[in-house]
Amino acid sequence: GDSVTQMEGPVTLSEEAFLTINCTYTATGYPSLFWYVQYPGEGLQLLLKATKADDKGSNKGFEATYRKETTSFHLEKGSVQVSDSAVYFCALNRFSGGYNKLIFGAGTRLAVHP
Amino acid sequence: DAGVIQSPRHEVTEMGQEVTLRCKPISGHDYLFWYRQTMMRGLELLIYFNNNVPIDDSGMPEDRFSAKMPNASFSTLKIQPSEPRDSAVYFCASSPGTDEQFFGPGTRLTVL
Repeated sequence: GDSVTQMEGPVTLSEEAFLTINCTYTATGYPSLFWYVQYPGEGLQLLLKATKADDKGSNKGFEATYRKETTSFHLEKGSVQVSDSAVYFCALNRFSGGYNKLIFGAGTRLAVHP
Repeated sequence: DAGVIQSPRHEVTEMGQEVTLRCKPISGHDYLFWYRQTMMRGLELLIYFNNNVPIDDSGMPEDRFSAKMPNASFSTLKIQPSEPRDSAVYFCASSPGTDEQFFGPGTRLTVL
């Protein structure tokens, strides 16, 4: 079945460092791909998405490119801030039986230190 | 819009007690989802509704769990009787039928 695999955390970085969080997926067809972010004590929020191969999603300085050939959707940011500390979830959308379902990865915790 | 509203935000109860979690989806959203988040199992989809009708409850862990959606603006997730292993954060999310879901702040449940 469909699945999402993320790199294990926690990822610990200093402020202004470059961030990469790896995400690969297994799916039939070409699902939409997402990154959600969960700040401490809050629910998940959509960070960015891409709906087809070679699309690049971007928001708040974060980027991810839908790579069909490597079935990947890695999250990157050129210069992280302390406020980026959160848990990041990669997900894919499965449209089946007329309904949309999100399949999430396990999440990667990011801690950014001053 | 106020977003998805969940109550209570925190619940502490004793084993064997009934627990009811509540959710108000975003107005106009036709889909409602209940998730459970634990350190061991991550984020699990328990059940989802379309137009107040349960569509897929295959994620509900056992008969102690039940969910209802009596109208478009309210849903409950009930655990009876509760057990310590039910301790988790429970999220409600709603969707207008697109591929995006909007999550509530969650209810942190502790069963002693």
